[in-house]
Amino acid sequence: DAGVIQSPRHEVTEMGQEVTLRCKPISGHDYLFWYRQTMMRGLELLIYFNNNVPIDDSGMPEDRFSAKMPNASFSTLKIQPSEPRDSAVYFCASSLRNQPQHFGDGTRLSIL
Amino acid sequence: AQSVTQLGSHVSVSEGALVLLRCNYSSSVPPYLFWYVQYPNQGLQLLLKYTTGATLVKGINGFEAEFKKSETSFHLTKPSAHMSDAAEYFCAVSEEGGSYIPTFGRGTSLIVHP
Repeated sequence: DAGVIQSPRHEVTEMGQEVTLRCKPISGHDYLFWYRQTMMRGLELLIYFNNNVPIDDSGMPEDRFSAKMPNASFSTLKIQPSEPRDSAVYFCASSLRNQPQHFGDGTRLSIL
Repeated sequence: AQSVTQLGSHVSVSEGALVLLRCNYSSSVPPYLFWYVQYPNQGLQLLLKYTTGATLVKGINGFEAEFKKSETSFHLTKPSAHMSDAAEYFCAVSEEGGSYIPTFGRGTSLIVHP
C-alpha cells in the first residue's frame, strides 16, 4: 500500500521564482492537509481539504501561497513569488475522518 | 478550543533508561489523542492513539501511553531506551464530534546517550 507521495523531495530556487509542490494522497482518504515545519514555528497547518474542497486556509501565511486539489489523487501547493523566509520543510498528509494522519516525507524548500 | 503542551523541548536519557515524554492537553469534549514520531528527513509516523476504551495504549517499538482524564495528560513512556529511539516526538489532540482537525504540540526531541 503506497503511502503519501510528495515531490520534489528537495527544491532550491532563487527568490522571486514560482515554486510548486505536489502531493498524491493515499487512495480512499478524504482529508488532505498541507503543513509547514520550521525550527522557529514548529509544525504549522497551512490548509486542509475535505473531498477535494478547501475547508480552512486560515494558516496560509500570505496571498503568495495557494493550494489546489483538482481531484482526489492530487494536490499542489504553490508559492509565487517565493521569498527566503519561505524556506522550510513542507509536508502533505492524508487521512479519513477521526483517523490518524499519514504523512509524506516532505519537500525541503530552500529559497536563495 | 483544543490545545497541546509538551513539557520540555529536549529530553536526554541514557541507553537502557526509562523514557518519559510529557503531554498535557485541553479539550472541551472527549479527546482523541495521538503520539507521532519523526526521524530525520522523514515525515511523522503514528506511534499510538487513544480514542475510547482502555486508557493504557500500547504502540509500536515498545512505547505506550496512558490517558488520564483527571490530569488531562497523555504521557509517552518506554521502559528501556534504544539508540534508535532518538527522534522528534509529537503529541496531538483532536475532538470527538468536533472539527476533527488535530492540534499538534511543539514536539520533544529525544536524545539517547550510549
